[in-house]
Amino acid sequence: NAGVTQTPKFRVLKTGQSMTLLCAQDMNHEYMYWYRQDPGMGLRLIHYSVGEGTTAKGEVPDGYNVSRLKKQNFLLGLESAAPSQTSVYFCASREDRGRNYGYTFGSGTRLTVV
Amino acid sequence: GDSVTQMEGPVTLSEEAFLTINCTYTATGYPSLFWYVQYPGEGLQLLLKATKADDKGSNKGFEATYRKETTSFHLEKGSVQVSDSAVYFCALTQAGGSYIPTFGRGTSLIVHP
Repeated sequence: NAGVTQTPKFRVLKTGQSMTLLCAQDMNHEYMYWYRQDPGMGLRLIHYSVGEGTTAKGEVPDGYNVSRLKKQNFLLGLESAAPSQTSVYFCASREDRGRNYGYTFGSGTRLTVV
Repeated sequence: GDSVTQMEGPVTLSEEAFLTINCTYTATGYPSLFWYVQYPGEGLQLLLKATKADDKGSNKGFEATYRKETTSFHLEKGSVQVSDSAVYFCALTQAGGSYIPTFGRGTSLIVHP
């Protein structure tokens, strides 16, 4: 099925460990985004990309890095995980066709840092 | 800057009750407005949208009308089902730039049989 696929779905990290979250979309979308969702905080944008080879900071970029080497993939890295990064992470993508188009979201990665 | 305000939840209803979830926005220009739904353990899904004043978006029995005079986009459904239990997010997107939406905080809906 076409859509946005996130891997892994669940992960437990120890403080200081590193990991990479993968987001893959097969809809040829130009724009991709990483959000985190925390109770009472809604969705907060971490980083985004407006095309292959581009990245930009969102609202809460500290402690995260991203790469968009291929159009279909958007990677989110945590170099040294902290308990404050315990969250549910969502990837989203959209077409570059104006403001009238909504996002397609992945099903999320639930990350716990202990 | 732009902002979206939703009523705080949870909203608790009995099956077949009428649903209204309020959403108001502050924005310059003429944004597009969206409702997303998040079922437990899943990502957000686009539920409906409206792209200009007085447009009505509809899907799966849900409706919302773009009211520019009151800067509102309230979500309504005539008869809710248990399966509608989810978190609902109102959002707006402006023209230009990277089309990053402004999301509301979300409103949880719980429907009891």
